[in-house]
Amino acid sequence: QKEVEQNSGPLSVPEGAIASLNCTYSDRGSQSFFWYRQYSGKSPELIMFIYSNGDKEDGRFTAQLNKASQYVSLLIRDSQPSDSATYLCAVNGDYKLSFGAGTTVTVRA
Amino acid sequence: EAGVVQSPRYKIIEKKQPVAFWCNPISGHNTLYWYRQNLGQGPELLIRYENEEAVDDSQLPKDRFSAERLKGVDSTLKIQPAELGDSAVYLCASSDDPGQGIYEQYFGPGTRLTVT
Repeated sequence: QKEVEQNSGPLSVPEGAIASLNCTYSDRGSQSFFWYRQYSGKSPELIMFIYSNGDKEDGRFTAQLNKASQYVSLLIRDSQPSDSATYLCAVNGDYKLSFGAGTTVTVRA
Repeated sequence: EAGVVQSPRYKIIEKKQPVAFWCNPISGHNTLYWYRQNLGQGPELLIRYENEEAVDDSQLPKDRFSAERLKGVDSTLKIQPAELGDSAVYLCASSDDPGQGIYEQYFGPGTRLTVT
């Protein structure tokens, strides 16, 4: 059973601050890594993916991957109230995604 | 481009009754997934289709769950009979052919099932 662990949260950050989300995974053979955002009562929405070690930036979001440490993170810069949601880390291995339980982020105005 | 379509959005049934969920994937997406998401948890894969073929159904409780994807497009997931523990959100997702092992999966709105 592939395991994906996320920091439990909830995470509360002031508007304009950086939110930092962490995820570790157990399967060293994992190939690609995804971050989904899920608003309450809605389905997961893909934010970004990463498959190479290092950083990948997309607007206010930066994903970081360290395969040696089996660690992937998501930074949200200049956090906005609209970023308040649960963020799911997903790891791809054997052609399927394994999800973490999610970290709930609240951005306070 | 239309997203993944699911119906119904909500379903309330009594235990031991049957229930079915329908999914229409994004046009051109050959791969279709059914997930179950319990409250406070991430989605868990039930079954994955490549065109009409179920290539991974290892997590599908086959004693009561069944699925089909006729003609490699729409899919139906069925539970018969439903149990109280089946209450969850059932999500359908689709992806196109992968590149470099990357499967960008896009989710439908889900069906929230309540078994009483």
